[in-house]
Amino acid sequence: EVQLVESGGGLVKPGGSLRLSCTASAFSFRTYSMNWVRQAPGKGLEWVSSISPGGDKIYYADSVRGRFTISRDNARSSLYLEMNSLRADDTALYYCTKDTRVGDPGDAFDVWGLGTMVTVSS
Amino acid sequence: DIVMTQSPDSLAVSLGERATISCKSSQSVLYTSNNKNYLSWYQQKLGQPPKLLLYWASLRDSGVPDRFSGSGSETNFTLTVSSLQPEDVAVYYCQQYYSTPLTFGGGTKVEIK
Repeated sequence: EVQLVESGGGLVKPGGSLRLSCTASAFSFRTYSMNWVRQAPGKGLEWVSSISPGGDKIYYADSVRGRFTISRDNARSSLYLEMNSLRADDTALYYCTKDTRVGDPGDAFDVWGLGTMVTVSS
Repeated sequence: DIVMTQSPDSLAVSLGERATISCKSSQSVLYTSNNKNYLSWYQQKLGQPPKLLLYWASLRDSGVPDRFSGSGSETNFTLTVSSLQPEDVAVYYCQQYYSTPLTFGGGTKVEIK
């Protein structure tokens, strides 16, 4: 079964850092673009970042650019999100998602993990 | 940025009746080179991650019941549930993947009347 499992969330103080991980299984991870999408409590969905299969094309939402870094390790079938200078409005459930088609970012998301919760509070 | 606007915010439909959700984009999401609308629909049930229902505006993802259908082009799109079932209670989101930043509509909550 195609699966994405996120980890690394937790409670962090404003200005702090956190590294999220997503482990993929049962599909050819190295051929798909991957993404992070977040959802604040009781709110809608917000795209955060995307990365191409080889990691050469990376995109960020304006709200996180310069503070978050997306990366991947194809040998480990893993996706990461390094989050620095965290703010209260970064509090959300962070989902790892897979693009529907092989290739560059810019696609619907056909597989979602269960998410990992990030809470930024003093 | 392409702004996605959904309406209504919520709707209550009787079992077996039709539910219709609108999604409008602030600019066209139709790529004329391949004649595809870069528009998808997701269903999110309480406490669960979103699930892809439709992509290219009207193609159902694997396993999605045929009571779910999508239509529209360029800037105006519709998700229709032809005969609402109890398991369809959820929040529905549209998303454009025409350009970054990828953007979602605000969501439409569907309940049983």
